[in-house]
Amino acid sequence: DQQVKQNSPSLSVQEGRISILNCDYTNSMFDYFLWYKKYPAEGPTFLISISSIKDKNEDGRFTVFLNKSAKHLSLHIVPSQPGDSAVYFCAASARNQFYFGTGTSLTVIP
Amino acid sequence: DSGVTQTPKHLITATGQRVTLRCSPRSGDLSVYWYQQSLDQGLQFLIQYYNGEERAKGNILERFSAQQFPDLHSELNLSSLELGDSALYFCASSVGGQRSGELFFGEGSRLTVL
Repeated sequence: DQQVKQNSPSLSVQEGRISILNCDYTNSMFDYFLWYKKYPAEGPTFLISISSIKDKNEDGRFTVFLNKSAKHLSLHIVPSQPGDSAVYFCAASARNQFYFGTGTSLTVIP
Repeated sequence: DSGVTQTPKHLITATGQRVTLRCSPRSGDLSVYWYQQSLDQGLQFLIQYYNGEERAKGNILERFSAQQFPDLHSELNLSSLELGDSALYFCASSVGGQRSGELFFGEGSRLTVL
């Protein structure tokens, strides 16, 4: 049972434009949500997180939005840069048990 | 640098053999997690330890076992290896406990079974 879903396996965006990566979850008990960036053959790198009591968290070019009623979160990257090309995983946590989506491969075209 | 250390980085072995992967969590983190990633697939959760005790178990084969030691480092033992066990194995750590926080990953151990 996939409790966290990333329905878009891939996304291509022009450099300088906004990248929007989406994630849906099913378990209303999740209290913390995270985004990770992963390059091939490297470990996932933590990007940004948001608590379930908030609906937005911003860190530089990265903003995460949480819509609890829709059980949906999204990661906005603006402006997108070629170095952002990677696989992005969303994750949700309840009591430090983490559930990951299957990832979205982002390609930023120069 | 996430602060999570995994050794070895690369390992090549033959079918039927046994290997041990080692993980040192970030300083202060009590919880250790093991994940498997095959052929750029998603992250498959294997097992979680918190302060030496098994906390949660995912899709871990019976041929695989893990433990967390008193100094909080963890080992993942893979035995009777098969070709399909070739994968990247990631260790991650978090503070643990009841309140969720960030999870930090190591660089992974790449296992190749020939």
